[in-house]
Amino acid sequence: DAKTTQPPSMDCAEGRAANLPCNHSTISGNEYVYWYRQIHSQGPQYIIHGLKNNETNEMASLIITEDRKSSTLILPHATLRDTAVYYCIVRVAGYGGSQGNLIFGKGTKLSVKP
Amino acid sequence: DTEVTQTPKHLVMGMTNKKSLKCEQHMGHRAMYWYKQKAKKPPELMFVYSYEKLSINESVPSRFSPECPNSSLLNLHLHALQPEDSALYLCASSQGLVGETQYFGPGTRLLVL
Repeated sequence: DAKTTQPPSMDCAEGRAANLPCNHSTISGNEYVYWYRQIHSQGPQYIIHGLKNNETNEMASLIITEDRKSSTLILPHATLRDTAVYYCIVRVAGYGGSQGNLIFGKGTKLSVKP
Repeated sequence: DTEVTQTPKHLVMGMTNKKSLKCEQHMGHRAMYWYKQKAKKPPELMFVYSYEKLSINESVPSRFSPECPNSSLLNLHLHALQPEDSALYLCASSQGLVGETQYFGPGTRLLVL
């Protein structure tokens, strides 16, 4: 079973920041937080991941709380093309075995509106 | 470049047919994966190959038969499928150890009649 909880859906106005929350209260010390998104009928796209520090790349920022029990994915200037299902996944990285598997939950359907 | 390619994009097959799905990556990744995604559901892991050897089989029925001929190529052979096997089949790859960041292909949409 997925170890994360996300709201089923969210709306965001085009050009505004989209803040997608994720709860992972049972996360272990060696588990990373990964974010993927899936635009309709396409393969999941890797966005970003982190362990305990905040991370930023060209797509998004990841803010992880100090206790690591929750995180927020931030898309700084959402566009219509960011409309997708966003998956937050916790997993052990760099480990050969089932603990490293990606277990997708239901995700958050983000709708960016004009 | 993080491209994983899959062919065909779409496939329609009867329950008595034999078909194959193909996945290819040229990133030097040594772990490759097959996932199945039913409509409006999240992807579910089917198989994992690490260094061309099958390392994980998530109790998938034998009518699905994976094959990894070399480090760049992953096939999924299909035989005697059922209509409920209709789904989007996704391939992914990761560098080095299983558990590294996975990059997905666009998927093959399969319809079994």
